[in-house]
Amino acid sequence: GAVVSQHPSWVICKSGTSVKIECRSLDFQATTMFWYRQFPKQSLMLMATSNEGSKATYEQGVEKDKFLINHASLTLSTLTVTSAHPEDSSFYICSAVRGTDTQYFGPGTRLTVL
Amino acid sequence: AQTVTQSQPEMSVQEAETVTLSCTYDTSENNYYLFWYKQPPSRQMILVIRQEAYKQQNATENRFSVNFQKAAKSFSLKISDSQLGDTAMHFCAFMTRQGAQKLVFGQGTRLTINP
Repeated sequence: GAVVSQHPSWVICKSGTSVKIECRSLDFQATTMFWYRQFPKQSLMLMATSNEGSKATYEQGVEKDKFLINHASLTLSTLTVTSAHPEDSSFYICSAVRGTDTQYFGPGTRLTVL
Repeated sequence: AQTVTQSQPEMSVQEAETVTLSCTYDTSENNYYLFWYKQPPSRQMILVIRQEAYKQQNATENRFSVNFQKAAKSFSLKISDSQLGDTAMHFCAFMTRQGAQKLVFGQGTRLTINP
């Protein structure tokens, strides 16, 4: 149990375009999901907290207009990188909270912006 | 603010050996959770073990056990009979029981199991 999927696993896009990443909890419902960014050989950096039915809460320094988060159902949260630029290239990981305390992670999405 | 420190950037042991990864944290909270996650080369984050701070008994999961010292704010992970599949980045993480369920991660320890 506690499986989280992400789609796509890998995406290449042109500078200026928008990219949507989906995060799904497959066998449980998740009121809360999180979005992280990970640079090579570094730890995870929390970007935002996604709560079902309400606006996301962004960490300091994360542009909410650049990284749009929607949590429309108890099993799906989406992250849209708008007007992507090469500096947005990174590995993006989502997690979903099962129960009250434990986060389960998706397999990640590698974004490359040309 | 809570912080998590992993003082061992890299470790390497032979297969079947026992290895201990260190983690210390700083918090003024009394009720919280501690976790160990591993991230193998596939980059999938996998939950290894979880400890609730109010429980004095150390958590164990098969070959994995922790040494939780609440007063010292220490949470080390012991891997027994290490296997090649244990090769991964290992992250220690803290979560308060109050608030937004956010995880605070340590910097990670890169563990290599040699055949």
